[in-house]
Amino acid sequence: DTGVSQNPRHKITKRGQNVTFRCDPISEHNRLYWYRQTLGQGPEFLTYFQNEAQLEKSRLLSDRFSAERPKGSFSTLEIQRTEQGDSAMYLCASSLTLTSGRQNEQYFGPGTRLTVT
Amino acid sequence: EDQVTQSPEALRLQEGESSSLNCSYTVSGLRGLFWYRQDPGKGPEFLFTLYSAGEEKEKERLKATLTKKESFLHITAPKPEDSATYLCAVQTYSSASKIIFGSGTRLSIRP
Repeated sequence: DTGVSQNPRHKITKRGQNVTFRCDPISEHNRLYWYRQTLGQGPEFLTYFQNEAQLEKSRLLSDRFSAERPKGSFSTLEIQRTEQGDSAMYLCASSLTLTSGRQNEQYFGPGTRLTVT
Repeated sequence: EDQVTQSPEALRLQEGESSSLNCSYTVSGLRGLFWYRQDPGKGPEFLFTLYSAGEEKEKERLKATLTKKESFLHITAPKPEDSATYLCAVQTYSSASKIIFGSGTRLSIRP
């Protein structure tokens, strides 16, 4: 399977615990994105990497959230001191930069559903 | 502020009954507009990219069109397997990366 993969698919944690999610993008894609989606809403942008550099972060990304993409391959998203409001689906997407300047489509993984109790 | 609004929120159709979903957008400068399909519990699946007014794209029973203010996703003779949430998203020149999603239209096709 050459699509975007995410692990784990589901995570249940207690308030105050730390959690980490992993995303493996499509192998030739140099851009990687994290989004958060709550029920009945579209995905909301969190952050974006081009290769290993984190180039943009949303104001939604509080200081309890940190993302890394070592060596420009897989990425991790860590949430520290989880709160009940962090319960959501966390989606990862990847894309390839086009030299034409047009935006190439983002391909999404299956997501990690986080439940904070 | 850049905004994407989709209507209706939910749409129930009989199998074979054609209809259209609307996506209106207010952005500072449109770089591209995307349509995705999302099944329950899964990530969005890419359908189309539109770049300029007047552009149209087709895939099976779906056709996407774009004007300067809105996009339509036309579904012709839908089948039950077309039931899903359809998401519209835009990318603007003010951001080189993120795309801004609407809340989606939940489409249900009855056999």
